[in-house]
Amino acid sequence: GAGVSQSPSNKVTEKGKDVELRCDPISGHTALYWYRQRLGQGLEFLIYFQGNSAPDKSGLPSDRFSAERTGESVSTLTIQRTQQEDSAVYLCASRRTADNYGYTFGSGTRLTVV
Amino acid sequence: GENVEQHPSTLSVQEGDSAVIKCTYSDSASNYFPWYKQELGKRPQLIIDIRSNVGEKKDQRIAVTLNKTAKHFSLHITETQPEDSAVYFCAASGSARQLTFGSGTQLTVLP
Repeated sequence: GAGVSQSPSNKVTEKGKDVELRCDPISGHTALYWYRQRLGQGLEFLIYFQGNSAPDKSGLPSDRFSAERTGESVSTLTIQRTQQEDSAVYLCASRRTADNYGYTFGSGTRLTVV
Repeated sequence: GENVEQHPSTLSVQEGDSAVIKCTYSDSASNYFPWYKQELGKRPQLIIDIRSNVGEKKDQRIAVTLNKTAKHFSLHITETQPEDSAVYFCAASGSARQLTFGSGTQLTVLP
């Protein structure tokens, strides 16, 4: 596609429910990242996928967070038993493999846990 | 891992004046330093980036400088306009192949 696509754009969920967020990277971009941005704050790294390599999960804040990626395309970020502190914008980014440059962000999913 | 510090957290300038935002990084292996502009409720947009093999890069009213020895880099915006008002983030990336972001600077350009 022309850009990084994320869905849904907004999600309101009740505390304790599970949510699944989706990211479609730019075609041909083999590297994919998830970041979290709380209101008024910077971007926190969550997880990084690169091709068929094992993902870098070092940023996941707890075992309630997990992510998967199907080949070199769609990724889903799952948050189980959501808590109010999970409320944030979840941003996905992708970049080409060939270099360390050219990260492109999606428009994010705004998650609100009530 | 990488740690990026960004200053100031807020910056107000008069229209037409210059704005400077500074960042430091900790990982000497970092080799890519992008700057993002984020307007309220929108995604971060890349405005300029610099790689470690150059010391300065300019694009119209925006410039970035990099001092690898001191491990700091700066964003310079000249002739500021009200539409430059936004949050600006610096970031660094190196061997870990992930961007580590600064905490952001809220720039306000006063008409």
